[in-house]
Amino acid sequence: DIQMTQSPSTLSASVGDRVTITCRASQSIGIWLAWYQQKPGRAPKLLMFKASTLESGVPSRLSGSGSGTEFTLTISSLQPDDFATYYCQQYSSDPWTFGHGTKVEIK
Amino acid sequence: EVQLVESGGGLVQPGGSLRLSCAASGFTFSRYAMSWVRQAPGKGLEWVSGTTSTGGSTYYTDSVKGRFTISRDNSKNTMSLQMNSLRAEDTAIYYCAKGLMGATVGGFDYWGQGTLVTVSS
Repeated sequence: DIQMTQSPSTLSASVGDRVTITCRASQSIGIWLAWYQQKPGRAPKLLMFKASTLESGVPSRLSGSGSGTEFTLTISSLQPDDFATYYCQQYSSDPWTFGHGTKVEIK
Repeated sequence: EVQLVESGGGLVQPGGSLRLSCAASGFTFSRYAMSWVRQAPGKGLEWVSGTTSTGGSTYYTDSVKGRFTISRDNSKNTMSLQMNSLRAEDTAIYYCAKGLMGATVGGFDYWGQGTLVTVSS
């Protein structure tokens, strides 16, 4: 199985900060990576697919990059709506595995 | 508007069975892979099972193989998950998720609101 490792597990930041979340795959997954945002009591929401393609309606302050085994999600200027937990997920091969999540909290 | 509505969750004793359903609308159901993803209380996301658009291929995470069965009815725009021999560690919110266009199974662009399954005596 492909293991997905996210870092950090928790990130404390202020509104306006630039934040970066890293996701590493235990083997190459090409660009078959998605990012999701989840808020408490809510279903996950797709942010990005194919590593860097922004889902429709997602603000452009979010961006994704990477290929192979190393990926990043960057928020250029953190907004109040961005405080949430973020998950990466590989969809290169079965079983389709998630990272353990990164909680972005208010500093 | 895409809608995915799960039902069938509840409290069940260890060793018992439960059948979850997902009713889909707002898109051409038969063209997309579908999956079940779960989240144990206070934990992260875990993909559980998926099916290709035709239902011809099905996939399971190792911990549920032989116990869970996924199926879909493209004529009724529904997907189901039959869960047998339930264990305490199966306790979670179960989400129905729609596959991305062009993806085999994984990668999900719409999610339902989830249905809670609690396995406890």
